[in-house]
Amino acid sequence: DAKTTQPPSMDCAEGRAANLPCNHSTISGNEYVYWYRQIHSQGPQYIIHGLKNNETNEMASLIITEDRKSSTLILPHATLRDTAVYYCIVRLISNFGNEKLTFGTGTRLTIIP
Amino acid sequence: EAGVTQFPSHSVIEKGQTVTLRCDPISGHDNLYWYRRVMGKEIKFLLHFVKESKQDESGMPNNRFLAERTGGTYSTLKVQPAELEDSGVYFCASSLKETQYFGPGTRLLVL
Repeated sequence: DAKTTQPPSMDCAEGRAANLPCNHSTISGNEYVYWYRQIHSQGPQYIIHGLKNNETNEMASLIITEDRKSSTLILPHATLRDTAVYYCIVRLISNFGNEKLTFGTGTRLTIIP
Repeated sequence: EAGVTQFPSHSVIEKGQTVTLRCDPISGHDNLYWYRRVMGKEIKFLLHFVKESKQDESGMPNNRFLAERTGGTYSTLKVQPAELEDSGVYFCASSLKETQYFGPGTRLLVL
């Protein structure tokens, strides 16, 4: 079962920042927070991941609370092409192998023109 | 650099037939994963290869599904015989280290 809770849907105006929340209150110390998105019927697309520090890349920023029980994905200037289902995934990464991704139901983000 | 590719993009077969899906990972990626989404459900993990070895096949639904990765390059997922409930989208992903990159999927419809 997914270890995260996300709102089922959100709207955001085009050009504004989209802030997608995720709760992962049972996260353990060696589990990472990953974000993927699925645009229409394409394959899931990697966005960003982090352990405890905030992260930023060309697509988005990831803000993780100090207690690591929740995080927020920020798309700074949303465009229509950002309309997608966004998945927040908690994942263990160990020296014994790369763990599978456990997808939940995600947040359906709709960018409004 | 080419991404993960999957073939075919779509497949329509009748119940009881056999279908083989193929995945070509990103070059150099030792880790290869299969996932699927059946109608109305979440994306579910099927199995994980490290090179040619099965690292984790805990998600394989039953013995009608057979995955192979001979030579540690491309992988095939065979469904034999196909049942109606196997309809869905089958995704392949590959990784060098921690981050998995997904292919576009194969849409399978069993009639």
